[in-house]
Amino acid sequence: GAVVSQHPSRVICKSGTSVKIECRSLDFQATTMFWYRQFPKQSLMLMATSNEGSKATYEQGVEKDKFLINHASLTLSTLTVTSAHPEDSSFYICSAGQGRTYEQYFGPGTRLTVT
Amino acid sequence: DAKTTQPTSMDCAEGRAANLPCNHSTISGNEYVYWYRQIHSQGPQYIIHGLKNNETNEMASLIITEDRKSSTLILPHATLRDTAVYYCIVRPGGGADGLTFGKGTHLIIQP
Repeated sequence: GAVVSQHPSRVICKSGTSVKIECRSLDFQATTMFWYRQFPKQSLMLMATSNEGSKATYEQGVEKDKFLINHASLTLSTLTVTSAHPEDSSFYICSAGQGRTYEQYFGPGTRLTVT
Repeated sequence: DAKTTQPTSMDCAEGRAANLPCNHSTISGNEYVYWYRQIHSQGPQYIIHGLKNNETNEMASLIITEDRKSSTLILPHATLRDTAVYYCIVRPGGGADGLTFGKGTHLIIQP
C-alpha cells in the first residue's frame, strides 16, 4: 500500500519558537494532503486541506497565520506551528490522497510538546 | 457528512471474531461507509469501505444492512495486535475531502 512519512516523529520546543513538520508521500503523488490534530484521549480533528500549488483551506477555528501550510510539490507538504505555546502540544497527523480516492493514507504522526 | 454512532468500547477474546457495529441512520444515497482504525500513538489505518454490498478484504469483512442504516465490521480471527480504536465514517464515495472522525470504538482483545 501507499506510504506516507512524517518528520520528525517527536519534537520538544520552547514556548514562542516555531516548529516545522514535514509530510511526504513516498511512492505516489499526492494532489491533496490533509492535516489533523489529536489531543489526548480525543479523536482526530481536521485542521486544513492542502492542495499542491494552491493555498490551503483551513477548518473553522484554525488560525491560518499560526499554522502555516505549504504544499510545494506532489510529494511534500509542511506544517509550521508558529510562536508555539503549551496549548499547541498535540499529536499532529497528515494524510494524503490521489485526487478522488477511496482511501486516505495516513502518516505515523508527530508528537509536539511545547514547554 | 452523515453522523455515526458506535459503542464506546468492546472486548473480544483472542482468536474469536470481533463484530463492531455502527449506526448511520441518516446516510445519503451517495455516501459510502468507511472503516479506519488507530492503534495507540499511531496514524489511522484504512481497513475497508462499501456502498451497499458486503465487502471482504484481507483485513476484515463489512456487512451493510439492506436499508443501509447500519453496518458491522468483522475481524474474523482477532489477535492482540487488533487492539485499537475503530472509526466508522460515512462520506461521499471518492470524495477529496478530509475525514470527520467520531469517537470510535475502543476494541480490546483479551488474551
